[in-house]
Amino acid sequence: QKEVEQNSGPLSVPEGAIASLNCTYSDRGSQSFFWYRQYSGKSPELIMSIYSNGDKEDGRFTAQLNKASQYVSLLIRDSQPSDSATYLCAVIVAGGSYIPTFGRGTSLIVHP
Amino acid sequence: DTGVSQNPRHKITKRGQNVTFRCDPISEHNRLYWYRQTLGQGPEFLTYFQNEAQLEKSRLLSDRFSAERPKGSFSTLEIQRTEQGDSAMYLCASSLVAGADNEQFFGPGTRLTVL
Repeated sequence: QKEVEQNSGPLSVPEGAIASLNCTYSDRGSQSFFWYRQYSGKSPELIMSIYSNGDKEDGRFTAQLNKASQYVSLLIRDSQPSDSATYLCAVIVAGGSYIPTFGRGTSLIVHP
Repeated sequence: DTGVSQNPRHKITKRGQNVTFRCDPISEHNRLYWYRQTLGQGPEFLTYFQNEAQLEKSRLLSDRFSAERPKGSFSTLEIQRTEQGDSAMYLCASSLVAGADNEQFFGPGTRLTVL
């Protein structure tokens, strides 16, 4: 059973702070990890993908992967009110049909 | 705009009616996926196509659901004899590659309300 766990939140941070979003997964065969942002009433938008242990930075976003501990996180630096959304973690397991399993998402609120 | 498009964006129907949704993927993408999302949950996989072949269906996809992608371009998802439990956002996504770097791009979704 593939499971992707995220705290549903909401996570509330002040504007300008670092928001840290976490995701854990159960299948040790997981090899690809994605973060999507979903605004209320809209569809998911891909913001980051990561495949190797360590950090991957893209602008204000940093994805961190630790396969030994089976978690992936997303850091958002200098958080803005426009970052307020639900962040979905998705995981692909090796050797199958490469269909991602999504977590339920973490709601982030950035308050001015 | 060359992104994924879906029609209609909203559909309200009465229980027992049939509905059909359409998805047009990004033109060069050969993989197309259908998901269902309810409030507070992540997208749940329903089915996917590689070109015109439907390669996998979730156990969530009851016999009342059918999907087609007749020419490997657009796809339709039909729900027969709708039930109130079918109310959800139906999302379509497409991707270029079939491997581990399967970055999916979602359409705007079709929100279905069954009365």
